[in-house]
Amino acid sequence: DTGVSQNPRHKITKRGQNVTFRCDPISEHNRLYWYRQTLGQGPEFLTYFQNEAQLEKSRLLSDRFSAERPKGSFSTLEIQRTEQGDSAMYLCASSTSDRELFFGEGSRLTVL
Amino acid sequence: QKEVEQNSGPLSVPEGAIASLNCTYSDRGSQSFFWYRQYSGKSPELIMSIYSNGDKEDGRFTAQLNKASQYVSLLIRDSQPSDSATYLCAVNFSGGNNRLAFGKGNQVVVIP
Repeated sequence: DTGVSQNPRHKITKRGQNVTFRCDPISEHNRLYWYRQTLGQGPEFLTYFQNEAQLEKSRLLSDRFSAERPKGSFSTLEIQRTEQGDSAMYLCASSTSDRELFFGEGSRLTVL
Repeated sequence: QKEVEQNSGPLSVPEGAIASLNCTYSDRGSQSFFWYRQYSGKSPELIMSIYSNGDKEDGRFTAQLNKASQYVSLLIRDSQPSDSATYLCAVNFSGGNNRLAFGKGNQVVVIP
């Protein structure tokens, strides 16, 4: 499979716990994005990496959220001290240029 | 004003009819425009991209772009039940980093 891979696909956690999601982009894509999507809404931009550099972060990304892309390959998104409002689908996408983004299947987070 | 607006409610169309979806955007400098299809519980899938004013056709899909009016639309001809999904309009903003801003989507239901 040469598409964008995300795991875990589903995560149920209790409020206050930390969670981490992983994204493996398409191998030749140097740009990687994280989005968050809640029911009935379009994806909302969270952060962007070009290679290993995090070049943009949304104001939506509170200090409980941190993302990394060591070595410019896979990326992780960690949410600390989860809150019920963090429940959403977390989408990773990758691209090579100022054109289309290709999305992974997403990681669905439920915070109880 | 939201960056990308899709204001129409759910759209029901008979099988074989044309479905028409509209989207407006706020950044006059935007250069790249996309339509994604999203089935329930799945991630967005790119179906059309358009970069120049006018029409672009791909199979049963036609995207139309009018930069002066900051308007992009999608037509689905000969609608099929498999077209039943949410359609997301996405715009690449001129601020750089290829950040796509999404509308909230329009649900299309094709009635057999």
